[in-house]
Amino acid sequence: DSGVTQTPKHLITATGQRVTLRCSPRSGDLSVYWYQQSLDQGLQFLIQYYNGEERAKGNILERFSAQQFPDLHSELNLSSLELGDSALYFCASSVEEAGGLYEQFFGPGTRLTVL
Amino acid sequence: KNQVEQSPQSLIILEGKNCTLQCNYTVSPFSNLRWYKQDTGRGPVSLTIMTFSENTKSNGRYTATLDADTKQSSLHITASQLSDSASYICVVSDSGGSYIPTFGRGTSLIVHP
Repeated sequence: DSGVTQTPKHLITATGQRVTLRCSPRSGDLSVYWYQQSLDQGLQFLIQYYNGEERAKGNILERFSAQQFPDLHSELNLSSLELGDSALYFCASSVEEAGGLYEQFFGPGTRLTVL
Repeated sequence: KNQVEQSPQSLIILEGKNCTLQCNYTVSPFSNLRWYKQDTGRGPVSLTIMTFSENTKSNGRYTATLDADTKQSSLHITASQLSDSASYICVVSDSGGSYIPTFGRGTSLIVHP
């Protein structure tokens, strides 16, 4: 158990819909990272938040948005869902703001299926 | 464009044997290279993290090497166990200010008894 929690574990929805994925980081970690893992693209970095502020942005679609709240939990919002958005979405947390030199701890993931 | 290539794509070995996985990258400017182990359907778990100045790092039976000149890394697994069956992913981050990670597609390792 990494100490990072993600809810829900599974999500099935229809095209065009909007969903929210939730992540709670390990106690003491200020950074939260979101990743998408699909069969055809592998793991991709989406976005990072540090202590409530956006810190780094990767291949995140405009239909996707995220935020980190004062209690440090984070939410990833996916809207106008398409079939291609079906994937495993991972959240990770670490103590550092930037650099990637500290270990990132991954949650169990949310499996999103868009029908 | 930053890229990370891993080989082989898949590997089958017998329990107790050693194996080496390869990672080549074109990420620039380079910040760090990480190896992760990912069991099917679960989140990745960090094995090693190396910076430009490090050329070897070990974590139990896992030893990673880095050659920053040739932009190559390898992960050596010694005395493999059935529990080593997993995907091994190489991740390279740039140092352009935001430390964006680029992921390889992974090597799927199967260890047979």
